[in-house]
Amino acid sequence: GENVEQHPSTLSVQEGDSAVIKCTYSDSASNYFPWYKQELGKRPQLIIDIRSNVGEKKDQRIAVTLNKTAKHFSLHITETQPEDSAVYFCAASTEYGNKLVFGAGTILRVKS
Amino acid sequence: DAGITQSPRHKVTETGTPVTLRCHQTENHRYMYWYRQDPGHGLRLIHYSYGVKDTDKGEVSDGYSVSRSKTEDFLLTLESATSSQTSVYFCAISAVQGGYTFGSGTRLTVV
Repeated sequence: GENVEQHPSTLSVQEGDSAVIKCTYSDSASNYFPWYKQELGKRPQLIIDIRSNVGEKKDQRIAVTLNKTAKHFSLHITETQPEDSAVYFCAASTEYGNKLVFGAGTILRVKS
Repeated sequence: DAGITQSPRHKVTETGTPVTLRCHQTENHRYMYWYRQDPGHGLRLIHYSYGVKDTDKGEVSDGYSVSRSKTEDFLLTLESATSSQTSVYFCAISAVQGGYTFGSGTRLTVV
């Protein structure tokens, strides 16, 4: 089955800097790649997603890139703010969003 | 709210007792899932459902069973709770295609 690896496990950046989180997946049939943000004690919430027919997607300060050949995708956050501090999870699906397989998560700390 | 609620929010139970967690949705979504969240493991799929009475196992299904007798309700049962099942349990729903909406989670402690 699908396996998703996520790096780094923790990331500390200075406010205003950029943050990059990377994930690799094993199943070349995966076609949907979402990213979730989970604040302390809260539920994970979808922040951005990308489908396999697209190489990059942006939404204000966040962007996701996908390299199908290398089977990896990345989350980019620019101009980080303290409220970006949270745990971020990547995921992959071979069923267009169903039966998501998640990475282990990245704790992002933005220092002001 | 998000159209999905979990109950209870917190529960402490003793080893060997049965426990049932409930997930209720008002979105009429076909797909429902149960995940557990543990440090260092992210979210791991326990069971999922593609419709009423249509359920299947995920990667960590041992010791768990589920039932879905109505579109809106998805129940997760620990037949005989063990300490290794201490975790935060999240229910999620999704439409035919697209990302999940998660419930608020249930923090279960087995003592």
